[in-house]
Amino acid sequence: EAGVTQSPTHLIKTRGQQATLRCSPISGHTSVYWYQQALGLGLQFLLWYDEGEERNRGNFPPRFSGRQFPNYSSELNVNALELEDSALYLCASSLTGDPHEQYFGPGTRLTVT
Amino acid sequence: KQEVTQIPAALSVPEGENLVLNCSFTDSAIYNLQWFRQDPGKGLTSLLLIQSSQREQTSGRLNASLDKSSGRSTLYIAASQPGDSATYLCAVRNRDDKIIFGKGTRLHILP
Repeated sequence: EAGVTQSPTHLIKTRGQQATLRCSPISGHTSVYWYQQALGLGLQFLLWYDEGEERNRGNFPPRFSGRQFPNYSSELNVNALELEDSALYLCASSLTGDPHEQYFGPGTRLTVT
Repeated sequence: KQEVTQIPAALSVPEGENLVLNCSFTDSAIYNLQWFRQDPGKGLTSLLLIQSSQREQTSGRLNASLDKSSGRSTLYIAASQPGDSATYLCAVRNRDDKIIFGKGTRLHILP
């Protein structure tokens, strides 16, 4: 069974540009979570999508947004990139409902110059 | 506001020893707690998940316990091996469905 996949593996952008990151969940999983792992800050919860709707978001500005498609894959968009957005972005998926066990993808490394 | 703390930040132990990693949280109104390992530059691998109604979960050489009233969870690793070297993270899912991670314990098993 294929795990959670993310693309691209690496992404280099310039300050002020927009970045789009993609995630495909494990087959049968309808929930997708996004996290930011910046150096020294640990993993920060960004967004949770379930059944196509945004269910919850962490303490990030509105320029971090995303969506979930009918096939449950998801996109994370980061607008007006800032240098401090450089981080590893991790996606996880889970089944809807108990126990919400999350399975993670390998991540996208975003570098903003 | 939920805070999750993992102490120590780093730990080195000789191969074969049993060890305990700690995770503490400030708000006991949690939905579940999940333990992960992360290898350098990689994603997270799920190890164990304990729901709020449970007190422990076991998988192979790993045993995780949960004491909600004291805001603590431990991950016990038996007979440690060099392949266990990684960063171990705990994550708490609050009742409001926000997920808070600790900063992790970097474990090094000495051959």
